[in-house]
Amino acid sequence: AQSVSQHNHHVILSEAASLELGCNYSYGGTVNLFWYVQYPGQHLQLLLKYFSGDPLVKGIKGFEAEFIKSKFSFNLRKPSVQWSDTAEYFCAVNGFGSGNTGKLIFGQGTTLQVKP
Amino acid sequence: KAGVTQTPRYLIKTRGQQVTLSCSPISGHRSVSWYQQTPGQGLQFLFEYFSETQRNKGNFPGRFSGRQFSNSRSEMNVSTLELGDSALYLCASSFQGQPNQPQHFGDGTRLSIL
Repeated sequence: AQSVSQHNHHVILSEAASLELGCNYSYGGTVNLFWYVQYPGQHLQLLLKYFSGDPLVKGIKGFEAEFIKSKFSFNLRKPSVQWSDTAEYFCAVNGFGSGNTGKLIFGQGTTLQVKP
Repeated sequence: KAGVTQTPRYLIKTRGQQVTLSCSPISGHRSVSWYQQTPGQGLQFLFEYFSETQRNKGNFPGRFSGRQFSNSRSEMNVSTLELGDSALYLCASSFQGQPNQPQHFGDGTRLSIL
């Protein structure tokens, strides 16, 4: 079955620590990859996306992600987190042979808590 | 540019009732998708509409239905409500619903079933 897996459900870091959130998907075809963030009380916002080209993509607020096709992975990274990064992070994939549509399959989400 | 607008923000219903949720996409966006978000199941795709036609459907029972109007606004209906339908329902829009176009999400409608 088509699925997206996020390894960490709850991560607690101190400010200035480095962050890496794992995301794997189960599909060998062409996919489009996204990371969304949901800050407390706010709607889901796009952090970054990968469609093609350079597998290292940069997003907003200093986030970046690397697409490794051989590992079916799209991990999110940030060198130094801030308290304001406290939020829930979702990896999402579009593709899975769903045709020319916008259907997204989401991972379970990772709650990041940054301690000041 | 106004974002995706969902109404109402909160709803309380009882089992067996039906409910209609509304979504106004970003101006110019023609694709509207609906998702259900629960603590146990996470974010699950319900369906997508484009040019008033349902283009894709998730694995939800027939009690969940939707439609899209000529101005791209969309409604989602759930009939014979069950306790398990309590969730945050999110609407997302994109320009044409192409796979490489990001979805823009609304704040959601929180539905509680008593």
